Amino acid sequence: GAGVSQSPSNKVTEKGKDVELRCDPISGHTALYWYRQSLGQGLEFLIYFQGNSAPDKSGLPSDRFSAERTGGSVSTLTIQRTQQEDSAVYLCASSLVGSGRYEQYFGPGTRLTVT
Amino acid sequence: QKEVEQNSGPLSVPEGAIASLNCTYSDRGSQSFFWYRQYSGKSPELIMSIYSNGDKEDGRFTAQLNKASQYVSLLIRDSQPSDSATYLCAVDNTGGFKTIFGAGTRLFVKA
Repeated sequence: GAGVSQSPSNKVTEKGKDVELRCDPISGHTALYWYRQSLGQGLEFLIYFQGNSAPDKSGLPSDRFSAERTGGSVSTLTIQRTQQEDSAVYLCASSLVGSGRYEQYFGPGTRLTVT
Repeated sequence: QKEVEQNSGPLSVPEGAIASLNCTYSDRGSQSFFWYRQYSGKSPELIMSIYSNGDKEDGRFTAQLNKASQYVSLLIRDSQPSDSATYLCAVDNTGGFKTIFGAGTRLFVKA
């Protein structure tokens, strides 16, 4: 079946502009995660959505970052007033939490470059 | 102490050898353990999950879990150059709420 999809695959933006990154999880997966990975670094957790519960936003680095998940499916990560330190690959993952198995499946990522 | 620790490597092994990747974790309550492979410029790909003590085999891969020692490992038999990648260990004790990823071990398989 179809995996996690993300768009755009690449985004170049000027400092100070807003950007929106989209994630479409695997159909039926109830949990959705956003991570950030800077060059040569590990995964940095950003935010987690599970069903209709309030999202865990504890990983968002600043109030310039926000995310929403509509209809329990597609999610959008928004970065306002982008800064150069926001340049990274943004990864989305989904999982069928609640089944007793918690494997996360990742999308291909969006490479964000802030100039 | 980091929650999930891995040797950053690089770990270099000759083609055909067994590659052994190790991971330790700090939370004794952890219940779910995962190994991901990440090729350069690509996203992580799930290789194995393990939930109970002992060994779990899948093809050339074997995951080993020892909860008493808070240790999980991944063995890759008959290593191939195509196995060259960064391997991420991930641990969860929250029922999927927040999985903690290690920084990864770079593996290089020499032809």
